[in-house]
Parts: sequence; C-alpha cells; structure tokens
Amino acid sequence: DVQMTQSPSYLAASPGESVSISCKASKSISNNLAWYQEKPGKANKLLIHSGSTLQSGTPSRFSGSGSGTDFTLTIRSLEFEDFAVYYCQQYNEYPYTFGAGTKLELK
Amino acid sequence: EIQLQESGPGLVKPSQSLSLTCSVTGYTITSGYDWSWIRKFPGNKMEWMGYISYSGSTNYNPSLKSRISITRDTSKNQFFLQLNSVTTEDTATYYCARGGQLFDYWGQGVMVTVSS
Repeated sequence: DVQMTQSPSYLAASPGESVSISCKASKSISNNLAWYQEKPGKANKLLIHSGSTLQSGTPSRFSGSGSGTDFTLTIRSLEFEDFAVYYCQQYNEYPYTFGAGTKLELK
Repeated sequence: EIQLQESGPGLVKPSQSLSLTCSVTGYTITSGYDWSWIRKFPGNKMEWMGYISYSGSTNYNPSLKSRISITRDTSKNQFFLQLNSVTTEDTATYYCARGGQLFDYWGQGVMVTVSS
C-alpha cells in the first residue's frame, strides 16, 4: 500500500496568518491526491483534487501544489472557519490511502 | 442537496457481524458514481473499505476482502456494509461517501465499538 505521511500533526495559528501542510507519498502518485477538511458535527469536505484543483465551493484562499511524492496544502489569510483537521488521500492505486491528519488549532 | 446518513448499532460483540446502512437523499445511487464505506480508527487513521458502483459491482480493500460485503437496496436508495468476525480492532467511526476514488459527499459518521 502507498503510505501517506502528513506533517505536522498539529499546527497552531492565528486568523490572518498563512499555513502549509505537507503530505508525502511512499511512491509516486502522479497528481492523484486530494485534500479533505474535517470539522466536528459536519460532513467531511473535499477541498482539492488532482493535487491542485479546487473543488467547487472551496474558497480561493486554499491552494494545493505538488506532484509525484511531495504535496502541500496552503491556506492563506486564515479565517476562523478554517480551524479543523485536514487529511490528504491518494487515489493513484488501490487500496486508496489517507494521511494521518493535521489538526489546525487556534493560537 | 445530496445528503448521506449512516445508521446502525453502536455496539457490536467480538466475533459477530457489523451491519450499517447508508441512506442517500438528493441523488439516486443507480444514476452514477461509486458509493464507498470509509472508517476512521481512534487516533485518526482512515481506511477506505470498499465501494459498490451505480451498476452494482463491488470493489473491496484487500485487507478486508474475506470479511466485507457491500450491498444495496435501490428501491430505498440505500447501501449497506456488513463486516464479519469483528474484533476490537474494528472499533472506529464508519462513514459512507459518494465516490470510489474521490469522495465528494460524506455522511457524518457513526461510531461503532466492538466490545463484549
């Protein structure tokens, strides 16, 4: 299975700041990577697919980059609603696998 | 608006079967897409378990292949998860989602504890 390693596990920031989350695959996954947002009491939200393509409805302050094995999710000008847990997921080969998540906390 | 809602028992005994239902509203599951089950273990590790396609074919995670079955009731617009011979390691929050590669709609999840 393709192992997905996310870092950091926890990240503290303030509204208005920018943050980046890393996701590394154990082998090349081309650009077949998605990012999800998880918030308590809400359904998970697909933010980005194909490494950098924003899903409809995702605010433009979110961006994704990378290909191959190294990927980054960047959130610019954090808003209160962005404090959540973020997961990466590869869909290049079965079984599809997820990173362990990054919890973005309010500083 | 597309919505998915999981339901089922929150407590299952070891060696028994875990059975969950995903009820879909706002989209007909035979119209398109694959329909997946995903679980999140304590500690946040997530695992894609398998899917049933709009045509009824299935695809399972090899790690579960001998224990898992995903079926559907098209008249009720529901699909189901059955996981046999559960152990405490199957304790997790179980999600249903639309998609077989990307998951663009999710249920809120149901927590299932395996314990005697």
